[in-house]
Amino acid sequence: SQKIEQNSEALNIQEGKTATLTCNYTNYSPAYLQWYRQDPGRGPVFLLLIRENEKEKRKERLKVTFDTTLKQSLFHITASQPADSATYLCALARGTGKLIFGQGTTLQVKP
Amino acid sequence: GAVVSQHPSWVICKSGTSVKIECRSLDFQATTMFWYRQFPKQSLMLMATSNEGSKATYEQGVEKDKFLINHASLTLSTLTVTSAHPEDSSFYICSVIAVSTDTQYFGPGTRLTVL
Repeated sequence: SQKIEQNSEALNIQEGKTATLTCNYTNYSPAYLQWYRQDPGRGPVFLLLIRENEKEKRKERLKVTFDTTLKQSLFHITASQPADSATYLCALARGTGKLIFGQGTTLQVKP
Repeated sequence: GAVVSQHPSWVICKSGTSVKIECRSLDFQATTMFWYRQFPKQSLMLMATSNEGSKATYEQGVEKDKFLINHASLTLSTLTVTSAHPEDSSFYICSVIAVSTDTQYFGPGTRLTVL
């Protein structure tokens, strides 16, 4: 069966450093992948979408890569700030719009 | 991005009662909306796809007679949890999809607690 794994449940880094989150998947061929931020008790907030034919996408301090050979996406937050502390979710879809989510990585940025 | 609202933001009900949750797309017409459920410390799980003007399609293991979905207009989908039980207590979140970009935008969620 299809499986999505975000390699760390929790990640602690120092303010100003780059946070790198990993999303791996098996038994699946997504058409695109999305990254979301979720704060406690809130719905996910869309950050970036990357398609199967794209290698990299950037938005301000965020960067996402997508390697369909390795079946992996990396999500980077550069110059991290305490306000970036949240749970980050990766989600895959084939194009029907039905998203399959990873379990999330909780990022804690310490001042 | 799209603005999605949900009402209520939280609800507490007695076991055996029914609860209706509304999901509204505030700034564009959504022919398709999705309903997800999230248990504590778990990720989101898709429950069903809500299609405007037609029947919803449910994911495997989700009882369609228990979770009634009505998508009567291009801006409103409702989820009714019928005969709620404590195990239905969860965080219910809807989303809309911007077809032109495939981007999915989520509502703020509804916390349901069944006593």
